[in-house]
Amino acid sequence: DAKTTQPNSMESNEEEPVHLPCNHSTISGTDYIHWYRQLPSQGPEYVIHGLTSNVNNRMASLAIAEDRKSSTLILHRATLRDAAVYYCILRDQNTGNQFYFGTGTSLTVIP
Amino acid sequence: DTGVSQDPRHKITKRGQNVTFRCDPISEHNRLYWYRQTLGQGPEFLTYFQNEAQLEKSRLLSDRFSAERPKGSFSTLEIQRTEQGDSAMYLCASSLSLPNNEQFFGPGTRLTVL
Repeated sequence: DAKTTQPNSMESNEEEPVHLPCNHSTISGTDYIHWYRQLPSQGPEYVIHGLTSNVNNRMASLAIAEDRKSSTLILHRATLRDAAVYYCILRDQNTGNQFYFGTGTSLTVIP
Repeated sequence: DTGVSQDPRHKITKRGQNVTFRCDPISEHNRLYWYRQTLGQGPEFLTYFQNEAQLEKSRLLSDRFSAERPKGSFSTLEIQRTEQGDSAMYLCASSLSLPNNEQFFGPGTRLTVL
């Protein structure tokens, strides 16, 4: 189970960008980086994933370091609805059929 | 289709009783996963199915736990002789069997064992 390390909590002001870091120094060449988030009293939901190149979608951007040992989830303008626990997960594309969640980063958005 | 559904949403039981939870995945999804989440922790993988076949089980899944997906559609998770340590949120997720497939999670069943 490849491990990731995230800060326990972060705060952001509403409508400002948020950068959520994740360290994964033991990542292997076949590991994809996935991000999920869990809003209060809900199941996790997909945010974004990538392998080597930076990725963008309607929810967020994923910036992956050149050595792939770290990545950053970027929320371009935080809203109150973005307050959630964000999980950074490594998943082997060949053998990984389940996700191993850590404790994630609890994001507080301040109005 | 409105997503993954789980029933019941809440279950309170006494220690030693058996409980069964149901998960209905998104209809075209052939993979189904069960996770357990305790307070302040991320979800922990329990088991997953590809159609009706149970392909992987975590060591967390003791012999008191059994999961089935008899027709490759809905799944049940049964816990026999419940213990207080079984109190948790039980999450179900489903996905297509594609590389890096997105998992869609249900709202979970919160189990409280008294």
